[in-house]
Amino acid sequence: DADVTQTPRNRITKTGKRIMLECSQTKGHDRMYWYRQDPGLGLRLIYYSFDVKDINKGEISDGYSVSRQAQAKFSLSLESAIPNQTALYFCATSENRDRVYNEQFFGPGTRLTVL
Amino acid sequence: AQSVTQPDIHITVSEGASLELRCNYSYGATPYLFWYVQSPGQGLQLLLKYFSGDTLVQGIKGFEAEFKRSQSSFNLRKPSVHWSDAAEYFCAVAGGYQKVTFGIGTKLQVIP
Repeated sequence: DADVTQTPRNRITKTGKRIMLECSQTKGHDRMYWYRQDPGLGLRLIYYSFDVKDINKGEISDGYSVSRQAQAKFSLSLESAIPNQTALYFCATSENRDRVYNEQFFGPGTRLTVL
Repeated sequence: AQSVTQPDIHITVSEGASLELRCNYSYGATPYLFWYVQSPGQGLQLLLKYFSGDTLVQGIKGFEAEFKRSQSSFNLRKPSVHWSDAAEYFCAVAGGYQKVTFGIGTKLQVIP
């Protein structure tokens, strides 16, 4: 079984709809992240969470919200989807160790299309 | 602010040829550097990382990268490319607390 899973893998929705993307991990990591990937822009951080009670905005959080339901689950919501939120969304996790930074492990991605 | 530049958006190499993917970073102190690979329809997988020590880093799948502080570079190399190496490659730098910046990626095409 994959260590980081994302559901759904593909989603088509309409402008104005609320949508939730879910991420689950079995790695036991404290830290979780949401990124979006756009062609020519690489990956950009939307939100990150260091533990269940610690959630932080990334560089492009407008239009998104998150919920850390448990150590293993981190959901991303689009309250009112718009077409420019069409992208590939990745969840990632990392350990909470002494290093300032630890490598991240990525899920397979969710391809979201907003019509 | 930290940044990463991958100057080559798309590279084509022949199978068996050598490969070098360029990465330049900007960060005021010693950075944490990474190369990830993304195969079609897949998430990102870590190829290798540099934190400190030996500036030549070995990774998985026969890849290596060299950290050159004087050039602010962390180029990825492979002596002989296989068709299965066709993918998109991302360089990333982590400098501030938990802040990771990814490059825009380099798509590698491998021709027979």
